[in-house]
Amino acid sequence: DAGVIQSPRHEVTEMGQEVTLRCKPISGHNSLFWYRQTMMRGLELLIYFNNNVPIDDSGMPEDRFSAKMPNASFSTLKIQPSEPRDSAVYFCASSLGLQGGSGYTFGSGTRLTVV
Amino acid sequence: GQNIDQPTEMTATEGAIVQINCTYQTSGFNGLFWYQQHAGEAPTFLSYNVLDGLEEKGRFSSFLSRSKGYSYLLLKEHQMKDSATSLCAVRRGGGGGNKLTFGTGTQLKVEL
Repeated sequence: DAGVIQSPRHEVTEMGQEVTLRCKPISGHNSLFWYRQTMMRGLELLIYFNNNVPIDDSGMPEDRFSAKMPNASFSTLKIQPSEPRDSAVYFCASSLGLQGGSGYTFGSGTRLTVV
Repeated sequence: GQNIDQPTEMTATEGAIVQINCTYQTSGFNGLFWYQQHAGEAPTFLSYNVLDGLEEKGRFSSFLSRSKGYSYLLLKEHQMKDSATSLCAVRRGGGGGNKLTFGTGTQLKVEL
């Protein structure tokens, strides 16, 4: 299995631009999570989906952030407009359901820098 | 809400046994996970506890006491490649949606 695939690996953009991060979960996993990691705040859950349906988006910082999961094999996280304080590593993770002890499998992350 | 506390960093000698503690406060506890994250890489799953006691997995063991809200990760035969951040994560069931909330991590440094 190729694991969780995220693109791009690195993104540098100017303040005010739209940024779209992409994620392909592990085939067969029906839960998908978007996390953001910074030195100050650690790993924060932004939103998660179960069977392609958003379950909890309480971690999304503000209306500039949106996420979609149009099918079981693809999800996007969009920031519009981007701001310097959005600079962080964004991880996508997937799991087989929300119970059990197998945990999440994380993608390699997208390192976003907004200048 | 949830509170998850773990030391910011620890230093250990190569070959030593290292214990990394995690305390938590949560309602609807539904499992505790340990992850390891090397610099510039993604977190990787190490262990899972949902019942009290010790779970052993090769060089890693993890202990849980639900009544005390306490867990530790034990690393045996500590090696240079273990220089990484260990992340404690708590799953909250029911109204918590079974999502994982992570602590800020313990950075482990290895001395020769």
